[in-house]
Amino acid sequence: KAGVTQTPRYLIKTRGQQVTLSCSPISGHRSVSWYQQTPGQGLQFLFEYFSETQRNKGNFPGRFSGRQFSNSRSEMNVSTLELGDSALYLCASSLRSGSYEQYFGPGTRLTVT
Amino acid sequence: AQSVSQHNHHVILSEAASLELGCNYSYGGTVNLFWYVQYPGQHLQLLLKYFSGDPLVKGIKGFEAEFIKSKFSFNLRKPSVQWSDTAEYFCAAENTGNQFYFGTGTSLTVIP
Repeated sequence: KAGVTQTPRYLIKTRGQQVTLSCSPISGHRSVSWYQQTPGQGLQFLFEYFSETQRNKGNFPGRFSGRQFSNSRSEMNVSTLELGDSALYLCASSLRSGSYEQYFGPGTRLTVT
Repeated sequence: AQSVSQHNHHVILSEAASLELGCNYSYGGTVNLFWYVQYPGQHLQLLLKYFSGDPLVKGIKGFEAEFIKSKFSFNLRKPSVQWSDTAEYFCAAENTGNQFYFGTGTSLTVIP
């Protein structure tokens, strides 16, 4: 069965712009989580969506938002981009929320200039 | 604040050497613990997990980890590493609110 897919794989934006990243989970998975990965901070949890509802949120500013659609696909939006938002954004899907194995996608590499 | 610490940032071993990667978490409640691995050019994948029961858990590819509650630790071990174990290893903890916290990762290089 197909894995988690993320689009686009690479993105270059300038400060002040906004960006939308997309994640398609494994078929049948209803939970999607987003992480920001940077060399110094490792993986930091952004938020989790389950059945179109945000279940959990990490410690990120309100510029980071997301949503989930009825087919479990999820989008993440970052508004007013800052240089520090440059990172690899990973999406992970799991069957249900909490304590289930997460399957990670390849990530979207965002560079903010 | 809740966090996961991995003290070894870079580890270099020769093949057949034994491996132990440290992981400590800071959370007083019940936690689920995980080790993930990212091989070069591949996605993060689960190595092993601990939810409850036997504190010594075995994962794929000969890896195991031991949960020591009194030390808030979940160290990863392998008796004899192979060149193919070269990868980045991440420890993670999930709290009762289903929030995940990852460590900053340990880069392992195995020299043939």
